[in-house]
Amino acid sequence: EAGVAQSPRYKIIEKRQSVAFWCNPISGHATLYWYQQILGQGPKLLIQFQNNGVVDDSQLPKDRFSAERLKGVDSTLKIQPAKLEDSAVYLCASSLELIRTGYGEQFFGPGTRLTVL
Amino acid sequence: AQSVAQPEDQVNVAEGNPLTVKCTYSVSGNPYLFWYVQYPNRGLQFLLKYITGDNLVKGSYGFEAEFNKSQTSFHLKKPSALVSDSALYFCAVTPGGFTGGGNKLTFGTGTQLKVEL
Repeated sequence: EAGVAQSPRYKIIEKRQSVAFWCNPISGHATLYWYQQILGQGPKLLIQFQNNGVVDDSQLPKDRFSAERLKGVDSTLKIQPAKLEDSAVYLCASSLELIRTGYGEQFFGPGTRLTVL
Repeated sequence: AQSVAQPEDQVNVAEGNPLTVKCTYSVSGNPYLFWYVQYPNRGLQFLLKYITGDNLVKGSYGFEAEFNKSQTSFHLKKPSALVSDSALYFCAVTPGGFTGGGNKLTFGTGTQLKVEL
């Protein structure tokens, strides 16, 4: 089966510019996640969707980050305006199990490496 | 709040020798535990998980992990290391069962495994 797709793979922007990342999860996966992975750290969850509804966005910097998952499939994560500290790899993941089961193997995409100059 | 500790930033082992990558966790209730591996410029790849049952879990590529509830540990092991096992390994935890928190994974900071000839 096809894996989680992400684009672009790399992006370089200057601070205060805007950027958007796209994710296409594995077909049929109800849950979609966006993670931020700063160099030398583990991934940190930014936002979690169940179909097209937000389940958890407690760690999303809402003053500059936004995300949507229209029609419960593809998702877009946007940063506006970007700061130097946003330089990181942005990972998208999806899982099949519904939230109520309390667990699920998450399948990750290759990530988008963002560099903010 | 849940947390994961990976006390070693790097583990070096000779090819053919056994390897252990350590992980301890803190979570309310029973944990669901995961190991992921990350190769350069790639997304995270699932290795194995502990949900319930046998404390020794077997996963991909000959890896296994042992759940120890009293020590709150979930160490990753392999009897005979290969050079191709060299990568960054992440341990992750989520509260087991339906807690209202969904499937939110908390990752450790990662351990770089280097297998040398």
